[in-house]
Amino acid sequence: DVKVTQSSRYLVKRTGEKVFLECVQDMDHENMFWYRQDPGLGLRLIYFSYDVKMKEKGDIPEGYSVSREKKERFSLILESASTNQTSMYLCASRRPGQGNEKLFFGSGTQLSVL
Amino acid sequence: GNSVTQMEGPVTLSEEAFLTINCTYTATGYPSLFWYVQYPGEGLQLLLKATKADDKGSNKGFEATYRKETTSFHLEKGSVQVSDSAVYFCALIPGTGFQKLVFGTGTRLLVSP
Repeated sequence: DVKVTQSSRYLVKRTGEKVFLECVQDMDHENMFWYRQDPGLGLRLIYFSYDVKMKEKGDIPEGYSVSREKKERFSLILESASTNQTSMYLCASRRPGQGNEKLFFGSGTQLSVL
Repeated sequence: GNSVTQMEGPVTLSEEAFLTINCTYTATGYPSLFWYVQYPGEGLQLLLKATKADDKGSNKGFEATYRKETTSFHLEKGSVQVSDSAVYFCALIPGTGFQKLVFGTGTRLLVSP
């Protein structure tokens, strides 16, 4: 079965720190996604990547950047963490194509910015 | 634009009760529709899907029917169990453009013995 692994389950950082959230998938999926999940707001797409070295802004990219140097790894970067970036961050991957809409999710990283 | 509206939770039920979680959508083209479930401490996983009008998706006793005329995809289960306690997300992929999932806000279901 597909496995999407996020490097940390819980993370506590200070305001202004640079934060890296790592995600690795083991099924050679082209598409990868970063969402944040907040109560009452559901999942909101931050960035996604069609394939290696390709990236596209999602609905809420401000304050974030991403890196996709290898197919299996998609990193989310908070250049200067702020308290409003305290959230649950979910990574997902998918092989594109008709009938392949299913996303595989990691178990999430709960980030607290103090 | 594309959007999904779900009923607010939490939905609190006793074991063996009937469950309905409402979901309506707005989308361009002919979207595919999904229900994802998130159990405590885990990521989301696909529960069921329907890709065209009048299709019924089903899995683990849950069902949802794609209703184009009412733009709805309500989730139902005839008899819930304590183990069904989770957050349920309705989602769509638009019929046009890149296949990017659009999620609803999620509905928490709490089932008591």
